[in-house]
Amino acid sequence: QKEVEQDPGPLSVPEGAIVSLNCTYSNSAFQYFMWYRQYSRKGPELLMYTYSSGNKEDGRFTAQVDKSSKYISLFIRDSQPSDSATYLCAIFGRGSTLGRLYFGRGTQLTVWP
Amino acid sequence: NAGVMQNPRHLVRRRGQEARLRCSPMKGHSHVYWYRQLPEEGLKFMVYLQKENIIDESGMPKERFSAEFPKEGPSILRIQQVVRGDSAAYFCASSPGQRGNEQFFGPGTRLTVL
Repeated sequence: QKEVEQDPGPLSVPEGAIVSLNCTYSNSAFQYFMWYRQYSRKGPELLMYTYSSGNKEDGRFTAQVDKSSKYISLFIRDSQPSDSATYLCAIFGRGSTLGRLYFGRGTQLTVWP
Repeated sequence: NAGVMQNPRHLVRRRGQEARLRCSPMKGHSHVYWYRQLPEEGLKFMVYLQKENIIDESGMPKERFSAEFPKEGPSILRIQQVVRGDSAAYFCASSPGQRGNEQFFGPGTRLTVL
């Protein structure tokens, strides 16, 4: 079983839609949950991270963690064409070798005008 | 404050040649990580280094691959006798400490093996 599972999509939505991106993970010892955005042929850019369960909001982005279900989500409100990218979830914590991040495959998102 | 720098951005090698990928961490960061991204796959951890020390190389193939982070200069990922399967994007990340939530990535080196 992989440490992190993520539906690769692709996901295509109209401008202004609410986007929901999700990952599941297998090891309940993981503590930090990150979302990275990666534009084509660029390096991943850290969007948000959360520690433990709950919600964290930053502008149009909301990260949500449900540790009881081992489920993490990223919501994008009022999506824009500039949000078109691949979104990667990543996890880190006591259950992993110190320092390493475990990544999902990434979900490719296209927001059309 | 410059971000993580990697060079070259693109590298083409023929089978059997050596590839050297360089990574300069962000200023103030002493922890470096290398990840590999194959087509249609997520990033896979390869190795974690601090200055002059390899902390964790459990994600790196046992043969042909090596990494170093000397006291002076960039971190180097070295691939000897490259094969077509080594074609991928190699990303370096750095952090100020041993916390996964503070890893910042460079733009990557895209290696193509002919």
